[in-house]
Amino acid sequence: DAKTTQPTSMDCAEGRAANLPCNHSTISGNEYVYWYRQIHSQGPQYIIHGLKNNETNEMASLIITEDRKSSTLILPHATLRDTAVYYCIVRGSNDYKLSFGAGTTVTVRA
Amino acid sequence: EPEVTQTPSHQVTQMGQEVILRCVPISNHLYFYWYRQILGQKVEFLVSFYNNEISEKSEIFDDQFSVERPDGSNFTLKIRSTKLEDSAMYFCASSEMGTGSYNEQFFGPGTRLTVL
Repeated sequence: DAKTTQPTSMDCAEGRAANLPCNHSTISGNEYVYWYRQIHSQGPQYIIHGLKNNETNEMASLIITEDRKSSTLILPHATLRDTAVYYCIVRGSNDYKLSFGAGTTVTVRA
Repeated sequence: EPEVTQTPSHQVTQMGQEVILRCVPISNHLYFYWYRQILGQKVEFLVSFYNNEISEKSEIFDDQFSVERPDGSNFTLKIRSTKLEDSAMYFCASSEMGTGSYNEQFFGPGTRLTVL
């Protein structure tokens, strides 16, 4: 029941911004976009989430298109420690669970 | 910074044995979850728990699984009769809210369960 599509992998240069795309063309009005990451089999780590407005926190920025069918997670200055699998998850406002897909494997290179 | 803790970090058991995986959620969180990740596969939701009741569970969470909050701090997952296919990393998570906007789930480091 995949609700999101992400590239399988991407590389990024250390110190540069990493832009991670996600398509969620079937998103409905009460569904949020969440981003988590998982560093080498550690527990998933919450990054950011949003409904329709762009959001920014100390870790990243989330840009959601006006039609909400896609979004981009921006890591402003990628470091080697940002190498991880990044998951874009669509979650209904009444849902308890997070449904993880395969995510995007991001490799930050020196 | 408060965090979710899990014990043990690695559990090895024989097929058919019972195991209990333990979690200490973040102290002011009221919603608790278990997920699992079989090696090389996706993270899968098992169950969510609130106010001493299961609020949602997946098809994976069958009768061999149970959850309990035995005291004010621990949250446990019991597998009654382990099978080889139960070998996985089990993650506990907690959140302040269950649904709505402010319900970010914070995950523990996981317990690696190996069934021989």
